[in-house]
Amino acid sequence: AQTVTQSQPEMSVQEAETVTLSCTYDTSENNYYLFWYKQPPSRQMILVIRQEAYKQQNATENRFSVNFQKAAKSFSLKISDSQLGDTAMYFCASTSGAGSYQLTFGKGTKLSVIP
Amino acid sequence: SAVISQKPSRDICQRGTSLTIQCQVDSQVTMMFWYRQQPGQSLTLIATANQGSEATYESGFVIDKFPISRPNLTFSTLTVSNMSPEDSSIYLCSVTSGGFQETQYFGPGTRLLVL
Repeated sequence: AQTVTQSQPEMSVQEAETVTLSCTYDTSENNYYLFWYKQPPSRQMILVIRQEAYKQQNATENRFSVNFQKAAKSFSLKISDSQLGDTAMYFCASTSGAGSYQLTFGKGTKLSVIP
Repeated sequence: SAVISQKPSRDICQRGTSLTIQCQVDSQVTMMFWYRQQPGQSLTLIATANQGSEATYESGFVIDKFPISRPNLTFSTLTVSNMSPEDSSIYLCSVTSGGFQETQYFGPGTRLLVL
């Protein structure tokens, strides 16, 4: 069975600083998709960034970027210039293969941005 | 991405009763999913809502407990039947649409408390 592991239950960062959230996954597939979702206290799940496994270039979305290491099955999220609105639960997720729509989620990392 | 709404946003129910949650999308979508998020936990997929046919349930979830309908490409319902306090969770629907078929977008969720 596919697994996604987030080893940091909680993290904190000073406003305007940079923080990296870790995620590792286990899959036997060669082509798959990886995602980071943000869930603020409002509970809405918001897509932060997506990465296609067949692309070597790391995805970026404004202040959010990933470090995708396919051989190591690692997919970390870097948040630059942290803002108070970044305070949320962050979930890493993976599809189980090409053409598959099912997502497997990690347990989440609670990020607190401190003023 | 599609705009997704859920009704109700929250509810408090008595054990033994049933609640139907609606998920409405502002455009036709390919796939619709229902997830459960128990307090302090990650997301668990309940089922895939198939248009015009029976839903596909994940291990541990059965149709008698969680009947699902999807009468068209923009609407689905999830019923939580014969509720117990263990059913207290956030229930979220998600959809795939547009060019990124592997990417799921989530509704705002329904917070359910069973007394």
